[in-house]
Amino acid sequence: DAGITQSPRHKVTETGTPVTLRCHQTENHRYMYWYRQDPGHGLRLIHYSYGVKDTDKGEVSDGYSVSRSKTEDFLLTLESATSSQTSVYFCAIVTSDSYEQYFGPGTRLTVT
Amino acid sequence: DAKTTQPPSMDCAEGRAANLPCNHSTISGNEYVYWYRQIHSQGPQYIIHGLKNNETNEMASLIITEDRKSSTLILPHATLRDTAVYYCIAFYGKLTFGQGTILTVHP
Repeated sequence: DAGITQSPRHKVTETGTPVTLRCHQTENHRYMYWYRQDPGHGLRLIHYSYGVKDTDKGEVSDGYSVSRSKTEDFLLTLESATSSQTSVYFCAIVTSDSYEQYFGPGTRLTVT
Repeated sequence: DAKTTQPPSMDCAEGRAANLPCNHSTISGNEYVYWYRQIHSQGPQYIIHGLKNNETNEMASLIITEDRKSSTLILPHATLRDTAVYYCIAFYGKLTFGQGTILTVHP
């Protein structure tokens, strides 16, 4: 699993509240990604990072922001959660040496 | 990023080879071909990747055509546990998934 953890693993929150999801890796890999997965849509890229303080938007970035102040942590923030952001969120990394890719266990977020 | 096209579903008999095709006709020279699979609600599992040459590991083989416009993932002896959604992706920096192929392995 390349030392990827996500926290929290489950969260229920109310509409309009801010939420931050954390992806943590232990092996100093450069590339990190945030996805959401919903029935009928597959995996959709939200944001990705190619280094500390270097981030870029994916295909569904509206309503989300990210930060990467340290190599090991990639944070996904929902500034004001909406019910449409109820989803399973996956973090992923690409290994720096062999370019293999690994996903975290996922965070199930419910916005009521 | 190059767009990839895969059949929506395929069937395979247990013990036989499963050959999953992928079209990536717009792939650029620096994009790798990656294959993943996802079982139920687990995170996608990396299988194999390649740039130009065919590749093999303990899970599968990857055959890339000489013009790199298509590839085939081969599971040499499919088992029931290989039933999953398989994704083919052309990657360089930005990793975007398509809809994938639902592979069903039946007894």
